[in-house]
Formats: sequence, structure tokens, C-alpha cells
Amino acid sequence: EAQVTQNPRYLITVTGKKLTVTCSQNMNHEYMSWYRQDPGLGLRQIYYSMNVEVTDKGDVPEGYKVSRKEKRNFPLILESPSPNQTSLYFCASSFLASAHTQYFGPGTRLTVL
Amino acid sequence: KQEVTQIPAALSVPEGENLVLNCSFTDSAIYNLQWFRQDPGKGLTSLLLIQSSQREQTSGRLNASLDKSSGRSTLYIAASQPGDSATYLCAVQGGSEKLVFGKGTKLTVNP
Repeated sequence: EAQVTQNPRYLITVTGKKLTVTCSQNMNHEYMSWYRQDPGLGLRQIYYSMNVEVTDKGDVPEGYKVSRKEKRNFPLILESPSPNQTSLYFCASSFLASAHTQYFGPGTRLTVL
Repeated sequence: KQEVTQIPAALSVPEGENLVLNCSFTDSAIYNLQWFRQDPGKGLTSLLLIQSSQREQTSGRLNASLDKSSGRSTLYIAASQPGDSATYLCAVQGGSEKLVFGKGTKLTVNP
């Protein structure tokens, strides 16, 4: 089944404890991206990747890192999480950056205490 | 900077009614516009993708139109059903490859 998977689905952590949220797609997509969704602010793009080893900042990249060493995986890294990073995170992928449907993962709900 | 606005923020209709959701964007230099559906606690499901050169797309009871010059799109849902209840999001993609989302319209279809 074609899908985007994220792990973990739920995570409660404490300020400053490094964490990684994994994202994997099995559709051989070139383009992958990360979003956060907050009440009243909607979905905002954190980082995106056009291809392996190519990443770029979205609208809210501060406090996040990403890497794209393999086409199928695009992990989101929070080196020193803070409470303002408490949010619902989505990973998405598409065949190419433009003109193609975006497929979203199920989301990761992160709480930073 | 691209901004996407969706009106209304919430809409409640009786079952069977035809309805229109609106989306406007400030920068007409877009590659495409997509409509998504989001159910509570779930991810987004793509409904329709309209390329910048297209005027509309249809899928079943859904029809989306795009007027790039005026910066507007509408999503028309025919013969609404309770199962259509969800939040509907529109998103535009421009030259920077970034996808910019509206805040969504929460639709409730009452039996």
C-alpha cells in the first residue's frame, strides 16, 4: 500500500531532550516536506527537500533540523525542544515538487513540557 | 509573501444541500492549487489538484474551480452527506516550491 508513515505518533518529552521524528514513504517520491499545525495558525511548512541531499527552509525552520540521506526517509530533528514546539507535525511527499498531489502522513502529536 | 484565506471558517448545512467553499490567495504566480480534507485527529487527504493552466477539476460530487487572475478558488460539493463533515483546506504552491495553506473551513453536514 502506498503510504507515508511517521513515528512516533504521540510523544511527550521535556525541554532540551533531543528527539527525532521519522518519516518514510514507499512511493519513490522526490519531494518531501514537514509541516506543523497549530490552532489558529493553520499548517505551516518547516522544511522541504527536492531530492536526496537537497533541503531548504520553509516558513518556520527555527529550532528544527532535517536530513535527506535516502530518497524514502526524511527525519525531523529537534536538537533542544522547547514548549513552543508543542504541536501536531505532518510529513508529506509527492512525486515532484510541482504539479503533483501531496500525500500526507498520519501526524505526530508532540508535547514538550 | 503568499497569503491564503478561506471563508467561512465554519459552515453547518443540512444533508442534501449543495455548498461552496471559498479560497483566496494574494499572489497569482502559482503553479497549482490543491484542496484537502482533514478529519479530526487524522492527516490530510488530497481531494483535487488544479494546475495553474486549468480552470477546474472534478471528482465525483466535488468540483473545484480556479481563477488565477483574481486569486480565487471555489470547492463545490453537490448533494452533501454527513460523511462530508470535515475540515477542508486549500493550499497553493508557487515558484519557491513551498506549499502555503489556508486555515480551513470546518464543515458540518447535519442528517
